[in-house]
This record gives sequence, C-alpha cells and structure tokens, in this order.
Amino acid sequence: NAGVTQTPKFRILKIGQSMTLQCTQDMNHNYMYWYRQDPGMGLKLIYYSVGAGITDKGEVPNGYNVSRSTTEDFPLRLELAAPSQTSVYFCASSLREGGEQFFGPGTRLTVL
Amino acid sequence: QKEVEQNSGPLSVPEGAIASLNCTYSDRGSQSFFWYRQYSGKSPELIMFIYSNGDKEDGRFTAQLNKASQYVSLLIRDSQPSDSATYLCAVSGGSSNTGKLIFGQGTTLQVKP
Repeated sequence: NAGVTQTPKFRILKIGQSMTLQCTQDMNHNYMYWYRQDPGMGLKLIYYSVGAGITDKGEVPNGYNVSRSTTEDFPLRLELAAPSQTSVYFCASSLREGGEQFFGPGTRLTVL
Repeated sequence: QKEVEQNSGPLSVPEGAIASLNCTYSDRGSQSFFWYRQYSGKSPELIMFIYSNGDKEDGRFTAQLNKASQYVSLLIRDSQPSDSATYLCAVSGGSSNTGKLIFGQGTTLQVKP
C-alpha cells in the first residue's frame, strides 16, 4: 500500500493564479482531510469529507474548494492564490470517525 | 482557552534520559487521544493512541491518560538524538469536535548527545 500520496511536492504560484493539490489514498478510508501548517504553528483543518460526495468546511476554508467524487481522491482547489496561502498542505485519511489519521507527505506552496 | 494545549518548548533532555511531554484538553467529553511525531520538513507520523484512563506502553513510549484531570502525556524512555522532533497531541470525540481531530501546537523535543 502506498498509503496517502500527494502531488506536487513543491509549487510556486503567482498572486491570482489557481491550482489543484492532488491527494489519493489506497486504504479504502471514508474520511479524508486537508490541513495547512504555517511555520512553527499547528495544523489547521481546511476541509474534510466523510465519504464520496460529502464534504464540509473546517476551521479555515476561505479561498479553497474541494470535491470528493471517489473514495480514493480528495483534491483541494486554490482559486486566486494570495500570499496568505503560502503554507505546507497535508492531506490525511482515517478509517473511522474520530480515529487515527494517516498523513501524506505534504505539498509546500509558495505564493509570490 | 485553546481546546488542546501543549508547551511549545523546546524541551531539552540528555541522551538516555526520560522525556516527558504533556498535553491538556478542554472538552471533557473527549474520547480518543493521539500522539504524533513530526520531523522537520516531514509529515506527522502516528506513534501512540490511547482511549482508556491509565498507561499504555509501546517499546520506549508510554502514553498516560487522566480524564478526570483532562491531561494526556507521553513518556519517552532512553531518549535518543533520533527522537528530536516536534510531538503533536491530538484529541477527538468531544461534543465540540465530532469526527475530527483537534491538534495542539506541538512540543519541540531536543535530545542532546
């Protein structure tokens, strides 16, 4: 099992550009999550999903969108990138509600 | 009051010593408790979880849970320089965070040779 995979590993965007961060898991987990982590800070939940077709906002959803058309994939869309979105983005998945989460390797995004 | 609180550190211990990392949480209904290790530039990695009051041991790691006092701790025995990392405490199952993990800010541990 590859676990949770994320692409790309690194990306530099210009202000106003858009991009999609990809996340795929092969553990057949229903629950998937997107976090951002700023330097020296904890993890902040952006969006989460409890299954295909169901998504909900987390703590910091503004400027982001998600979709969940399959169990495996949970892409995060950034529209009109802003410098405040410079961060490291982690995708995670979980077998059960409130259970242990397994993280992908992260995407380091810089917006200039 | 933050939902999950940790001392950011750094906590510095000599090699071979016991490192003690602490975490308090505000939601008394919380059910599940997790410890993650995060090396610099890497993603969080689950090292322990605990659901019941008391101690849970796994190799050099012991998680301790006291629901009455609303704290959970992680002890690392015979600390090694490779244990130097940030340790994140996470809590779930309370009425304010159904289905989601609430993470603390993390405690940075430095193990000096």
